[in-house]
Amino acid sequence: DAGVTQSPTHLIKTRGQHVTLRCSPISGHKSVSWYQQVLGQGPQFIFQYYEKEERGRGNFPDRFSARQFPNYSSELNVNALLLGDSALYLCASSPDSNQPQHFGDGTRLSIL
Amino acid sequence: QKEVEQDPGPLSVPEGAIVSLNCTYSNSAFQYFMWYRQYSRKGPELLMYTYSSGNKEDGRFTAQVDKSSKYISLFIRDSQPSDSATYLCAMTPAGNQFYFGTGTSLTVIP
Repeated sequence: DAGVTQSPTHLIKTRGQHVTLRCSPISGHKSVSWYQQVLGQGPQFIFQYYEKEERGRGNFPDRFSARQFPNYSSELNVNALLLGDSALYLCASSPDSNQPQHFGDGTRLSIL
Repeated sequence: QKEVEQDPGPLSVPEGAIVSLNCTYSNSAFQYFMWYRQYSRKGPELLMYTYSSGNKEDGRFTAQVDKSSKYISLFIRDSQPSDSATYLCAMTPAGNQFYFGTGTSLTVIP
């Protein structure tokens, strides 16, 4: 079975631009979460979606938004990019929200 | 104070050693506890998942949770060079928001 897939794998943007990251969960998983991982740190929770509804939100500014589609895939959008948004963005899926999450290999976002 | 504290290491051990990795936390509402392994340039890989206090064993890995002390551990027996990676602890009160430690970098020397 395919694991969590994320696209693109790498992305370079400039300050002020907008970016959309995409995630396809493991087949049968209805919950998707997004994380930001800065080099040398653990993942920081951004959002969780379950059945297209937002179930949880971390301490990130409103420039960050997400949505989940009927096929359970998800998008993370970041507006007005800052240098500090450079990080590895991870997507994780689970069958339900309180079950262990399985991660993709992430999208590495660099802001110039 | 961070929700989850984890010593970043680095930790270096000889092949075959027993490795002990630990995390402490401050939120007594945490109920679900996980350990992940992360290789360079890859996403975290789930190793262990436990609910509430107690021990859980899976092959060479043992996870322990002591909720009274707010302390969790991961033990790796007969460590192998392929175990060299960053180990992340994670926890959640009810599954709608997950908190990770900073990760401990482990190197197993052949």
